[in-house]
Parts: sequence; structure tokens; C-alpha cells
Amino acid sequence: AQSVTQPDIHITVSEGASLELRCNYSYGATPYLFWYVQSPGQGLQLLLKYFSGDTLVQGIKGFEAEFKRSQSSFNLRKPSVHWSDAAEYFCAVALWDAGNMLTFGGGTRLMVKP
Amino acid sequence: GAGVSQSPSNKVTEKGKDVELRCDPISGHTALYWYRQSLGQGLEFLIYFQGNSAPDKSGLPSDRFSAERTGGSVSTLTIQRTQQEDSAVYLCASSFLRSNEQFFGPGTRLTVL
Repeated sequence: AQSVTQPDIHITVSEGASLELRCNYSYGATPYLFWYVQSPGQGLQLLLKYFSGDTLVQGIKGFEAEFKRSQSSFNLRKPSVHWSDAAEYFCAVALWDAGNMLTFGGGTRLMVKP
Repeated sequence: GAGVSQSPSNKVTEKGKDVELRCDPISGHTALYWYRQSLGQGLEFLIYFQGNSAPDKSGLPSDRFSAERTGGSVSTLTIQRTQQEDSAVYLCASSFLRSNEQFFGPGTRLTVL
């Protein structure tokens, strides 16, 4: 069965510092890959997605992610974190031929120090 | 346009009672998904509707859970004889046919006492 691993449960960074959130997936084929953000009490908002093509994808709010097939990874990055980025981040995968239901990682809670 | 809406936003019920949770997808979206977010299990898929096809119920945790989608639009998730372990946030998402982007509602927080 496919699985998604986010190794870091919590991450704290200083405002203005760079950020990288890790995501690894386990599946025989390359699935579709997503990053979602969830602010307290809010639903999930899509940051970016990868289906094919250029392995570096740009998303909203200044985020980007890089797909590395050899490492089965899809890490999320931001060059300079803002206090408003404090939230929980979820990596997810989906299979086109299996209904596109999302399989989520466990999430990484980001805290931003002033 | 309006996004995915869910009602109620919060529901407190007693163990053993039945509950119904509602989802209104984005107009024109043919695919509808239910997920559950709980402390112990994280975010997990429950059920998927696509057009008039039979739903994919592979994620439902027990036969106490059921869902229907009327007229290809509104969906209701029903939990019978609720248990404390059913306490979670239930999220609904919708998408266009053959699109990979799901739009999520704000969720219903269910608390079973």
C-alpha cells in the first residue's frame, strides 16, 4: 500500500529564515504529489502540486517543492519564512487510476519565532 | 463563487446516537470525497463519489458509517451508534471530473461524549 512519511512532526524556524519540510512516499509508480496547508481551525488549502514535467514546482505564498524520483521525495521549501506561515503542512499523494483519493502524511507543524 | 460548505461546523453528541453531516460541494464538481482527521489516525480517506458511478467505500472504518449523494450534488455522511473513537473533524472535498485538485470545506468537528 502506498504511504507518505513526513519525518518532522514539529519544526521551529525564525522569521526570515529558510524552510524545508520533508516528504517521502512509498509506491511502485510515481503518484501525483501535493502539499496542503492547514491553519488553526481552517480547512486544507492547496499550496502546490506535481503531476509531470519540470520537477521544481512553484506554488502560492512563495512556496516551492522539488520532486526527486531517485529519493521518492517531494520536499517543500520557502526561502524566507513569515510569521503568517505558522500552520500545519501536509504532504499527500494520489493515483489517477484509483479515484484520486488522497493519502496524507502525518503532517508537520511549523512554528515561527519572531 | 462559493467554496465547499459543510454543516454543522460543530456537533456534540452522546455515545450511541446517530449523526448526519452535510457537505455542499462546489457547483459543477462531479467528484466528492469525505476524509476524517483525528489525533490518533491523522488524515484518512473515507469515501469517494464520482458522478453516477457506485461510490468507493473502501475507506469507511465500519458498517456504522454510510454516505449518500443526492442528485450528484449534496452529500450526507451518517454515523450510526456513535462511539467515542468517532470523535474527529470530518472534511469534505470536491473536484472537477478528471481533475486532480480537490477543494476542501472547513470541516465538521464531531465530539462524542
